Amino acid sequence: AQSVTQLDSHVSVSEGTPVLLRCNYSSSYSPSLFWYVQHPNKGLQLLLKYTSAATLVKGINGFEAEFKKSETSFHLTKPSAHMSDAAEYFCVVSEGPGGYNKLIFGAGTRLAVHP
Amino acid sequence: ETGVTQTPRHLVMGMTNKKSLKCEQHLGHNAMYWYKQSAKKPLELMFVYSLEERVENNSVPSRFSPECPNSSHLFLHLHTLQPEDSALYLCASSQDHMSYEQYFGPGTRLTVT
Repeated sequence: AQSVTQLDSHVSVSEGTPVLLRCNYSSSYSPSLFWYVQHPNKGLQLLLKYTSAATLVKGINGFEAEFKKSETSFHLTKPSAHMSDAAEYFCVVSEGPGGYNKLIFGAGTRLAVHP
Repeated sequence: ETGVTQTPRHLVMGMTNKKSLKCEQHLGHNAMYWYKQSAKKPLELMFVYSLEERVENNSVPSRFSPECPNSSHLFLHLHTLQPEDSALYLCASSQDHMSYEQYFGPGTRLTVT
């Protein structure tokens, strides 16, 4: 069975400094991985996705993630945080084969950005 | 209207009430989903519909009853809920039930008193 572990429940950074949100996954075959973001009182928005193409994936708003099979990781990064990046971020793995494509969500990491 | 919309955005109901949550997608998708988001817990998939047929019922109590009259609309009928059912209920849609990318609505914040 697939699972996702987000290693930090809260991350706090200063505006203009790098962001690193960590995610490890468990999968019995080649997974598809995603990062979603949820701003307060909003639904989830897809930031980026990895589906077995390039291991470095670029998403919206300057975010990137690198798929590292040897480390079973899919960490999310951004070189310079902006105040508008403050939100909750979810790492997600797709369960794949079966009756439908089921998304397994991590518990979330809340990112705070300070001036 | 664009994307996925949900109404109402907030709902307070007593344990004996009957209410319904509504979701509408304007993306031409064929699959729709209900998720429950509780504090400090990962998102839980509740139901999946593909072309108006239920594909998955993820061990959800019968006090939650979904309805999908067409591929653009999804309802969640609520009856005799418990306080622990208080949560954010999110609707999502995707091109089909095998698509990776799901588009989410803003959610309905439900409080059961």
